[in-house]
Amino acid sequence: QKEVEQDPGPLSVPEGAIVSLNCTYSNSAFQYFMWYRQYSRKGPELLMYTYSSGNKEDGRFTAQVDKSSKYISLFIRDSQPSDSATYLCAMRGYPFDTGRRALTFGSGTRLQVQP
Amino acid sequence: DGGITQSPKYLFRKEGQNVTLSCEQNLNHDAMYWYRQDPGQGLRLIYYSQIVNDFQKGDIAEGYSVSREKKESFPLTVTSAQKNPTAFYLCASSTNIGRANVLTFGAGSRLTVL
Repeated sequence: QKEVEQDPGPLSVPEGAIVSLNCTYSNSAFQYFMWYRQYSRKGPELLMYTYSSGNKEDGRFTAQVDKSSKYISLFIRDSQPSDSATYLCAMRGYPFDTGRRALTFGSGTRLQVQP
Repeated sequence: DGGITQSPKYLFRKEGQNVTLSCEQNLNHDAMYWYRQDPGQGLRLIYYSQIVNDFQKGDIAEGYSVSREKKESFPLTVTSAQKNPTAFYLCASSTNIGRANVLTFGAGSRLTVL
C-alpha cells in the first residue's frame, strides 16, 4: 500500500464548477500538507500549504486537512479552463532536520476544466 | 527573474551511456533536490544537498550520481547502472533543508533511452 493515495483522474468538469481533489495517507507522523499544481511539461508549483488539521483559504482555493481521518482535500471554486493541470498532494512529518524523503508526494490528479 | 534552469529539456540516450542533467538556480537557496517523475507515480527523491560539498541519497539513488561544487549548481548524472532511466527529472530548491516542503521546481528534463 502506498503511503499517500490519490485518484489519478482524469477529472473533467465544466467551467464554473466546484472541484474537489483528495488524498488519503497512512503515516500519522505527517504534519505538513501541501498542494502543488503542475501544468503539462512543466515543473510543479506550490499552491497551498497547511499545518496540522483545519482549513486554509486563498482566493478560489481552499485546503482542508482532517488528521483524524488521514484525509486532505483541495477545493476549487468557480473553476476556470486555466485550472486544467495535474494537482499533486505532498506531505511531510516532523522534525525538519532531514531532507531524506523531504516530501512524500501523491501520484497526482489530472483536472480538465471544459469551457 | 529568480528561478531554476534545467537543461537540456529533452535528451535521448543510447543504452550503456552516461548522461548529465544540468540544474542551476539563482535563488540563493542552500538546499537542492533531484526528483524523478514517472506516469502514475508520485515524485521520488533521488538525491538532495543541504549545502555546498554535501549531498545525501534519497529513496532511489542507485544508478545516479551528483555533485555540489557551487551553491548555484547541482548536476545529476544518470549512469549506465540505472536500469530504467527513461523518466521526467525535476530539480528543486528550498531556502534551507528546514523549508523542504516549500520547493521551487525547474521545468524538468525528459530523458528517453533508445
